[in-house]
Amino acid sequence: GENVEQHPSTLSVQEGDSAVIKCTYSDSASNYFPWYKQELGKGPQLIIDIRSNVGEKKDQRIAVTLNKTAKHFSLHITETQPEDSAVYFCAASMGQAGTALIFGKGTTLSVSS
Amino acid sequence: GAGVSQSPSNKVTEKGKDVELRCDPISGHTALYWYRQRLGQGLEFLIYFQGNSAPDKSGLPSDRFSAERTGESVSTLTIQRTQQEDSAVYLCASSQGEGRPLHFGNGTRLTVT
Repeated sequence: GENVEQHPSTLSVQEGDSAVIKCTYSDSASNYFPWYKQELGKGPQLIIDIRSNVGEKKDQRIAVTLNKTAKHFSLHITETQPEDSAVYFCAASMGQAGTALIFGKGTTLSVSS
Repeated sequence: GAGVSQSPSNKVTEKGKDVELRCDPISGHTALYWYRQRLGQGLEFLIYFQGNSAPDKSGLPSDRFSAERTGESVSTLTIQRTQQEDSAVYLCASSQGEGRPLHFGNGTRLTVT
């Protein structure tokens, strides 16, 4: 089955710096790759997603890149702010036809001011 | 509009008792998902529904776990003869269908004593 590896598990940056989180996946049929942000006591919230026919997508300070050949994708947050502090999860669809997502183990991002 | 609603938000039960967790998805969302999140861990896929059918039950950890969905709306996750290792946050999500973003509820925190 699909397996998603996420690194690093923790990341500490200074306000204004950039943060990068990387994920790899195993199922070459996966075609949908979302990123979620989870704050304490809440469910994960979608922040950006990318499909396999696109190499990069950007939304203000957040960008995601996808390399299908290498089966890895990354989240880039620029000009980090304290409110970006949270746990971030990457996910990959379970094969081309499935709709369920397999999640990475998460990255705890801490942004200090 | 209303998001995904889960109840109860917290549940404490004694080992060996049965519990029922409820999920009310976003109106009109045809797909519904259950995930388990142990403390400090990622999201573990349990089961998903397309309409009232569950095409993929592969994630259910044992036969003590079951789920149903009725009226293409409310879903119930039932855990029989609870064990301490069942303690976790159970998250429900819904989506408009294949390849569409998942919207999560805030989860039910289950503690088995």
